[in-house]
Amino acid sequence: KQEVTQIPAALSVPEGENLVLNCSFTDSAIYNLQWFRQDPGKGLTSLLLIQSSQREQTSGRLNASLDKSSGRSTLYIAASQPGDSATYLCAAQGNYGQNFVFGPGTRLSVLP
Amino acid sequence: GAVVSQHPSWVICKSGTSVKIECRSLDFQATTMFWYRQFPKQSLMLMATSNEGSKATYEQGVEKDKFLINHASLTLSTLTVTSAHPEDSSFYICSVRVGAGYTFGSGTRLTVV
Repeated sequence: KQEVTQIPAALSVPEGENLVLNCSFTDSAIYNLQWFRQDPGKGLTSLLLIQSSQREQTSGRLNASLDKSSGRSTLYIAASQPGDSATYLCAAQGNYGQNFVFGPGTRLSVLP
Repeated sequence: GAVVSQHPSWVICKSGTSVKIECRSLDFQATTMFWYRQFPKQSLMLMATSNEGSKATYEQGVEKDKFLINHASLTLSTLTVTSAHPEDSSFYICSVRVGAGYTFGSGTRLTVV
């Protein structure tokens, strides 16, 4: 059974800092790994998707890496802004159409 | 724990017909449900937010007249794909926020032929 964990649980940084969020999963046989953003009262917003054959994906100030062998993914946020404040979730999907297994999330606060 | 039941798990329909997908919260009340879809090799994308007793909120680019959402009770939300076309073939999944986390339904794989 897949289990996904995230470290740290919460993070507070001053504006402009570069930061790294960590995600670990126990079963390396994944279809893809996704990073989501969760804003209060709203649905999840997909940030980056990494297919099992890929090692990283980039979108703007975000970069996500995937190391299947070690069961780890990291989300790197460059030059953080107050608008980045949210909860960040990673999720592993075992196969297309299968349920996602989510990590508990990292609650990020970027202070102006 | 909180359970969300989604039916059907898979459906094949002819082009031009409509398909209804149900999402039920089994042991709790859900004032808000979320509908997502996922195309092969693509990420899960939020389609709309379903609010009990009021109109759903659709994400940009999602046709509200094509994807009808009804959230008539605190335990049931339905998504109807009207006049389905092959390009609507996708994996549809509902979700409910429970406490600090989300519970997802098991998803519906729709194939339009």
